[in-house]
Amino acid sequence: EVQLVQSGAEVKKPGESLKISCKGSEYNFSVYWINWLRQMPGKGLEWMGRIDPSDSYTNYSPSFQGHVTISADKSISTAYLQWSTLEASDTAIYYCARLTRIAVAIDTFNIWGQGTMVTVSS
Amino acid sequence: DIGMSQSPDSLAVSLGERATINCKSSQSVVYSSDNKTFLAWYQQKPGQPPKLLISWASTREYGVPDRFSGSGFGTDFTLTISSLQAEDVAVYYCQQYYRTPPSFGQGTRLEIK
Repeated sequence: EVQLVQSGAEVKKPGESLKISCKGSEYNFSVYWINWLRQMPGKGLEWMGRIDPSDSYTNYSPSFQGHVTISADKSISTAYLQWSTLEASDTAIYYCARLTRIAVAIDTFNIWGQGTMVTVSS
Repeated sequence: DIGMSQSPDSLAVSLGERATINCKSSQSVVYSSDNKTFLAWYQQKPGQPPKLLISWASTREYGVPDRFSGSGFGTDFTLTISSLQAEDVAVYYCQQYYRTPPSFGQGTRLEIK
């Protein structure tokens, strides 16, 4: 079964760093862009950015540019989302999602990770 | 950026009745050369990630019940559930994938009356 499996829930303090992961399985990880999306408590879906795992080329939403870093290691079929300095407002569920089609940078999201809950609190 | 807006924010419908959710984009999401419409619908149940229901405004994904249908063109779109079932209680989102950044409506919460 094609799937994305994300790392577990995290509880951090403001100012701390964090890196969460998203591992793909049962498909060629390199040929589908991976996207990261945020869902704040009780709110809707926000697109953060995406990565082409074949060459690690990234695009970011202006709302998240400079605050997060997206990376990937195609050798282990894993994408990452990281923060160097967390803020309380980063408290949310973070989803990775794979595009439906290959060879496009924007599309529908047909495969989703289960989500990683990140709580930032002093 | 293309803004997406849904109406209503919440909706309560009796079992077996029709549910209709609307979505409007701030600009056309139709590719003029082939009339392809870059509009999708997702269903999100509590504690789960979103699930893709419909792409290209009206094409159901494999395994999605045929009580779900999508329609519309240009900037105005509709998701219809023809006969509401208990398992359809969820939040529904529309998404445009015409232009980066991909963007979502704010969501419509569907409940049983």
